[in-house]
Amino acid sequence: NAGVMQNPRHLVRRRGQEARLRCSPMKGHSHVYWYRQLPEEGLKFMVYLQKENIIDESGMPKERFSAEFPKEGPSILRIQQVVRGDSAAYFCASSNAGQANYEQYFGPGTRLTVT
Amino acid sequence: AQSVTQLGSHVSVSEGALVLLRCNYSSSVPPYLFWYVQYPNQGLQLLLKYTTGATLVKGINGFEAEFKKSETSFHLTKPSAHMSDAAEYFCAVIFSGYSTLTFGKGTMLLVSP
Repeated sequence: NAGVMQNPRHLVRRRGQEARLRCSPMKGHSHVYWYRQLPEEGLKFMVYLQKENIIDESGMPKERFSAEFPKEGPSILRIQQVVRGDSAAYFCASSNAGQANYEQYFGPGTRLTVT
Repeated sequence: AQSVTQLGSHVSVSEGALVLLRCNYSSSVPPYLFWYVQYPNQGLQLLLKYTTGATLVKGINGFEAEFKKSETSFHLTKPSAHMSDAAEYFCAVIFSGYSTLTFGKGTMLLVSP
């Protein structure tokens, strides 16, 4: 009964490199959400995806960030040309429907450090 | 603007004492309400949620919360704190018309022996 899986758990990148964060939702879940937790701040919504579709990306920074959830395989959050301000914990959550009262199950997070 | 406010970034209690963590939201339409707990270097675990029905909801680990529409609040309580309750607690809301969670800034619960 695997839960939401994220890898890597820890990722270190130098400024200017690319970061790829992966999220495998719970079995049977087709909705994925990405949240970012910055130091001293709460979690902020970034993007909501369904298989092959971006439903809501209102929380995504306009540049350098992109996300996808292909028909096969995990959801990917991609950060190009990382800067120190991108250092944060990135959490993925999944649900089995898009209705608001359905529980979102969270993964353990990927902690990105930009040096 | 719609928002979620958690009063107190840190709350300290003694083991066995009452735990009260406060959460208020700002919205003209009652949202769906959640409490999550986060242990160090881990993900978030759902404690309880309110969507419809009974306004007093019970969750895991002895926690409960009451939705009070007139006060726009959803405070989390536990009658007797345990050392293992020490963690960060997040109130989260799904506002009407949305499917994504809006989180409060979190409250760190410290439990002393």
